[in-house]
Amino acid sequence: QKEVEQDPGPLSVPEGAIVSLNCTYSNSAFQYFMWYRQYSRKGPELLMYTYSSGNKEDGRFTAQVDKSSKYISLFIRDSQPSDSATYLCAMSDMNRDDKIIFGKGTRLHILP
Amino acid sequence: GAGVSQTPSNKVTEKGKYVELRCDPISGHTALYWYRQSLGQGPEFLIYFQGTGAADDSGLPNDRFFAVRPEGSVSTLKIQRTERGDSAVYLCASSLFGEGQNEQFFGPGTRLTVL
Repeated sequence: QKEVEQDPGPLSVPEGAIVSLNCTYSNSAFQYFMWYRQYSRKGPELLMYTYSSGNKEDGRFTAQVDKSSKYISLFIRDSQPSDSATYLCAMSDMNRDDKIIFGKGTRLHILP
Repeated sequence: GAGVSQTPSNKVTEKGKYVELRCDPISGHTALYWYRQSLGQGPEFLIYFQGTGAADDSGLPNDRFFAVRPEGSVSTLKIQRTERGDSAVYLCASSLFGEGQNEQFFGPGTRLTVL
């Protein structure tokens, strides 16, 4: 079992819909949880990060972490065609020098 | 300001050749990371520098891979005797300190193709 599991998709939703992206993980030492967005032929860019459990909201994006279930989510409200990209969940354990473990990424298509 | 830059953007080489990939981090960032991203996969950690020294090289797949950062700024990832399985996008990232959770800023990557 990989440390981080993420459904690669692709996921296609109509413009304006709410998008839900999820990851599960196995390492209970993970403390920092991140979502990166990656456009084609570009490097990943950090969207959101959360420390430990809880929710964090930033504009149309909400990140949730449930450490008891080892499950994290990213919600995108009022999705736009410009949100079409690959979304990578990622996590790290501070004691491991910030080495980030990434999921495979979910390809998201927002249909106009 | 300038972000992380990587050169070349694309590199095509033949099996058995030697390649060097360069990363210019954001000015002032002390921590530098190399990752490798294969098609359809997330980035996989290779090596982490704090200043000039490699603080963690546990992700390097074998001794054909080596990286340096002699002056604590620019880094070069070196691959000897390249194999077709080395084909991937090699990503570099930098962060301000590398201690605690500081955001890692990624470059656009170098797409390596080994024929």
